Amino acid sequence: SQTIHQWPATLVQPVGSPLSLECTVEGTSNPNLYWYRQAAGRGLQLLFYSVGIGQISSEVPQNLSASRPQDRQFILSSKKLLLSDSGFYLCAWSAKNTIYFGEGSWLTVV
Amino acid sequence: GIQVEQSPPDLILQEGANSTLRCNFSDSVNNLQWFHQNPWGQLINLFYIPSGTKQNGRLSATTVATERYSLLYISSSQTTDSGVYFCAVEEIGGSYYKLTFGKGTLLTVNP
Repeated sequence: SQTIHQWPATLVQPVGSPLSLECTVEGTSNPNLYWYRQAAGRGLQLLFYSVGIGQISSEVPQNLSASRPQDRQFILSSKKLLLSDSGFYLCAWSAKNTIYFGEGSWLTVV
Repeated sequence: GIQVEQSPPDLILQEGANSTLRCNFSDSVNNLQWFHQNPWGQLINLFYIPSGTKQNGRLSATTVATERYSLLYISSSQTTDSGVYFCAVEEIGGSYYKLTFGKGTLLTVNP
C-alpha cells in the first residue's frame, strides 16, 4: 500500500534562517506531488506541484521553493524565513482522482 | 478560478445529534472530495464524490453536480467527529490534479 511521510513534524525557526521540509512517498511510482500551506483561518493554499523529477510549478509567488530530486521525494525550502511563513505545511500525492496527505509539519517562525 | 464556499463556518453539536454541511462551487468540476482534519492536523479522505450519493457508516455525502453543490451528512455525532471538514473540487481541464479547497466547517461535538 502507498504511504506518505513528511518531517520534521514541528519546528521553531528564527526569522532569516533556512528551512527544509522533506516528504517521501512509498508504494507508488511517478506520483504527482504537492505542497500545501494552511495558515490561521483554516484554508489550504497550494504552493507547489510536481508531475515528475525536476518538474516544479509554483502556484503563488513567495519566499519558498521546492525541489524533486527523486521520483518519490519532494522538498520544500527557504533560504531566509519570514514571520509570514509560519503555518502548517502539508505534503500530498495524487493518483487517479484522489489525493492523500502527509501528517503535516508545524512551522513557527519567531 | 473556481470558488468554493462552505457553510456553516462553525457548528456546535451535542453528542448524538445529526448535522448537514454544505459545499457550493461556482463552476462545473471533474471531482469533489470531502476531508476531515482532526485536531492533530491530519487530513483524512472521507469521500470522492463528483456526483451521486455515497455512504460510509454514520457519514454520507450527496453531490448534485448540475446545481453545483454537495452535502455531507453526519448522523449520531460523536466527540471524535470534531474537527474541520473541508470540501475540495477539481476544475475541468487541468493538466494535473489541482484541488481548490473551501475554508472548511469547524465542527465541535460536546459530550
